[in-house]
Amino acid sequence: NAGVTQTPKFQVLKTGQSMTLQCAQDMNHEYMSWYRQDPGMGLRLIHYSVGAGITDQGEVPNGYNVSRSTTEDFPLRLLSAAPSQTSVYFCASSYLPSGYEQYFGPGTRLTVT
Amino acid sequence: LAKTTQPISMDSYEGQEVNITCSHNNIATNDYITWYQQFPSQGPRFIIQGYKTKVTNEVASLFIPADRKSSTLSLPRVSLSDTAVYYCLVGDAKLNYGGSQGNLIFGKGTKLSVKP
Repeated sequence: NAGVTQTPKFQVLKTGQSMTLQCAQDMNHEYMSWYRQDPGMGLRLIHYSVGAGITDQGEVPNGYNVSRSTTEDFPLRLLSAAPSQTSVYFCASSYLPSGYEQYFGPGTRLTVT
Repeated sequence: LAKTTQPISMDSYEGQEVNITCSHNNIATNDYITWYQQFPSQGPRFIIQGYKTKVTNEVASLFIPADRKSSTLSLPRVSLSDTAVYYCLVGDAKLNYGGSQGNLIFGKGTKLSVKP
C-alpha cells in the first residue's frame, strides 16, 4: 500500500492563480480531510469528507473548495490564491469507526507570491 | 469538542522518561483521547489512543485518571529521534456519518527537545 499520497510536493503560485492539490489513498478509508499548517502553528482543518459525495467545512474553509467523487481521491482547490494561503497542506484519511487514528500524507508546501 | 491545553515545550535528555500532560476539563462521555507525533517536514503520526485508565503500546503509554479531565503521554527512555511535536486531541472517536465529529482540532502541541 502506498498509503496517502499528495502531489505536488512543492508549488509556487502568483496571487490570483488557481490550482488543485491532489490527495489519494489506497486503504479504502471513508474519512478524508485537508489541513493547513503555518510556521510554528498546529494543524487547522480546512475541509473533510465522510464518504464519496459528502463533504463539509472545517475550521478554515474560506478560499478552498473540495469534492469527493470517489473513495480514493479528495482534491483541494484554491480558487484565487492569496499570500495568506502560503502554508504546508496535509491530507489525511481514516476508517470511520477508528475515528481519530488518521494517516497523513507527506504534505504540499505552497508559496503564494 | 473539548479544548485541550498542553505545555508549549519540554526539554529532556537521552535515556530519561518523558511525561507530557494534556488538560481537557470539558471532555464528554463519548470522547476519546488521542496523541500524535510530528517530525519537521512530515505529516503527523498516530501514537496512541485511550478512553480511561492506562493504555500501552510499543511506543508509549497513556495514563488517564478516573475523572478524565487530563491525560499523560509517557515516553520511556527517550532518544534523540523522539525530538518532535506531540499533539493531544480529544473527541468522539466514532465519527458519525455527516456529523460534527468530523471536525478534528489540533492545538499547537508540545515541542519536545531531547538532548544528548
